[in-house]
Amino acid sequence: GAVVSQHPSWVICKSGTSVKIECRSLDFQATTMFWYRQFPKQSLMLMATSNEGSKATYEQGVEKDKFLINHASLTLSTLTVTSAHPEDSSFYICSAEEFFGPGTRLTVL
Amino acid sequence: AQKITQTQPGMFVQEKEAVTLDCTYDTSDQSYGLFWYKQPSSGEMIFLIYQGSYDEQNATEGRYSLNFQKARKSANLVISASQLGDSAMYFCAMRSGTGGTSYGKLTFGQGTILTVHP
Repeated sequence: GAVVSQHPSWVICKSGTSVKIECRSLDFQATTMFWYRQFPKQSLMLMATSNEGSKATYEQGVEKDKFLINHASLTLSTLTVTSAHPEDSSFYICSAEEFFGPGTRLTVL
Repeated sequence: AQKITQTQPGMFVQEKEAVTLDCTYDTSDQSYGLFWYKQPSSGEMIFLIYQGSYDEQNATEGRYSLNFQKARKSANLVISASQLGDSAMYFCAMRSGTGGTSYGKLTFGQGTILTVHP
């Protein structure tokens, strides 16, 4: 099946720094990608829909200035967690069509 | 609004036995898609099986089959001949079939942790 990659797989950063996570569709073009967040032993919660060439659509309660999304090409979407704080520590996972990336585990100290 | 409900927080099954994971859904859309994913401890989401709302046949993929009962709004996953490697969290999800910017996003159930005993 189609492959979606995500980088980095894990990151540890200090509070106040920004972290960028990349999501790539490797063998297909994706005009739309999705970003989810998952806390331990919980379900996936959709954060935003990333649209190539236009602004992302954020779900209710998700701060768009906090979680910046850029969909620069048909194969790449990026999520930047700005001024990260410990409460942003979570598992972030992207998807394109029905396929998911391997996820990024973010730990903010 | 769409909603997916998985009422089994945890399930246990003996190796080589079959197990059914329950999933019910609620939607006002006429066209929609139902998915099952497996999430092992590594965190990756592995796509298992898909059922379209207009598909008349139940979907099957190897040891996985989806028991789709449209009138009951249920889409249970059946795993036959369970293996130790099947131990994982399993999620049921639904995708709206309508167009627009909401198309493609998935709504997930709470998940079921499956443990396969030797």
